[in-house]
Order: sequence, then structure tokens, then C-alpha cells
Amino acid sequence: DIVLTQSPGTLSLSPGERATLSCRTSQSVSRDYLVWYQQKPGQAPRLLIYGASSRATGIPDRFSGSGSGTDFTLTISRLEREDFAVYFCQQSGSSPYTFGQGTKLEIK
Amino acid sequence: QVQLVESGGGVVQPGRSLRLSCAASGFTSSNYAMHWVRQAPGKGLEWVAVISYTGGNKDYADSVKGRFTISRDNPKNTLDLQMNSLRAEDTAVYYCARAPVTIQGFDIWGQGTMVAVSS
Repeated sequence: DIVLTQSPGTLSLSPGERATLSCRTSQSVSRDYLVWYQQKPGQAPRLLIYGASSRATGIPDRFSGSGSGTDFTLTISRLEREDFAVYFCQQSGSSPYTFGQGTKLEIK
Repeated sequence: QVQLVESGGGVVQPGRSLRLSCAASGFTSSNYAMHWVRQAPGKGLEWVAVISYTGGNKDYADSVKGRFTISRDNPKNTLDLQMNSLRAEDTAVYYCARAPVTIQGFDIWGQGTMVAVSS
């Protein structure tokens, strides 16, 4: 199974700051199959980024994804209050379609 | 409006069975692979099962293989998850999710249905 390790576990920042979230995979993953989700308390996950760097419909351009191989990054350029949530990466290329353990982005 | 709505969750004793359903609306579900994903209380996301467009191909996480069965009824636009021999560790919110081939991710999720396995 491909293991996804997200860091940091918790990120404390203020609105307006830049957030950088990391996702490392235990083996190389094609960019086509690296996905990011946002989840707020009591809600289902929401697709943010697919194909490592393509924004899903309706996602603001302050969200961007990058990376290749085993190292991927989600960047939020200027945090807004609505961005404080938990973020998960996922590899969708080979079963089991594993998720990272999540990064909680909290208000400092 | 494109949406998925799960139902069938509840409290069940260990060893018993439960059947979850997911109703799709606003799109033709037969055009998409469909997945179940679960989330234990306070924990992360765990992929559970996938079924192909036609229902001919299915795959499962090792943790549920042999106990859970995914199925779909395309004319009715529904997806099911039959869960047998339930264990305490199956306690979670269960989400169904749509997987377009063009995205290789899950673009539409249901609101989830809670399954609690407890004596």
C-alpha cells in the first residue's frame, strides 16, 4: 500500500498569512493521481485540487498545488477565515486509494 | 442539483449486518465509478470500496474484504454497501463519493451516514 504522510500535523497561522502543507508518499505517485481535499467540522470533504495542481470547480485561485514523485505541496497564498479546516491528500492511482492523516490548519 | 444522499446508518451490535444506500440525483450515476469512504470519530479518511461504471469491477480495502459488498443499481441511480460481521472498529461516518475519470479524485460527496457498532 502507498502510505501518505502529511506535515505538519497542525499549522497555526493568522488570516492573511501563507500556508504551506506537505504530503509525502511512500512510493512515487503520478501527478495525475494526487488529490487534495478540505474538510470542515461536521461536513463532508470537498475536492480542492486534482492532478496535483488543477483547481476543482469553484475553488479560489489562492489555493495551488505542486510537486511530483513523492513530494507534493498545497499552498494557500493568503489565508481567509473560511480556510481554517483540515486538509487531506490522497493518491487515486492504485488501490487501496489511501489518504494522508490530515493537516489541521488553525487560527493563531 | 448534483447530490448524493446516504441512508441506512444506525447502531448495531457486533457481528450483525447493516446495509447502507446512496441515492444520486442531478446526474447519471452510471457514467461514474462510485466509492465508499469512512471516517472514524475524530480520525482521518479511510477508503473502503469502489465499483466501476457497469458494476462489473469491484475492489475493497483489506480491512473490509470478505465482509462488505458494494453494489449498484444504475436504472435507480443508487449505490449500496452491505456490511456483514460488523466490528467495533467499523464505527464511522460512511460517505459515498463520485469519481469522474477526468479528475481521478472524488468530486461529489454525500453528507455521510453514521454507523455505530456497539453492544
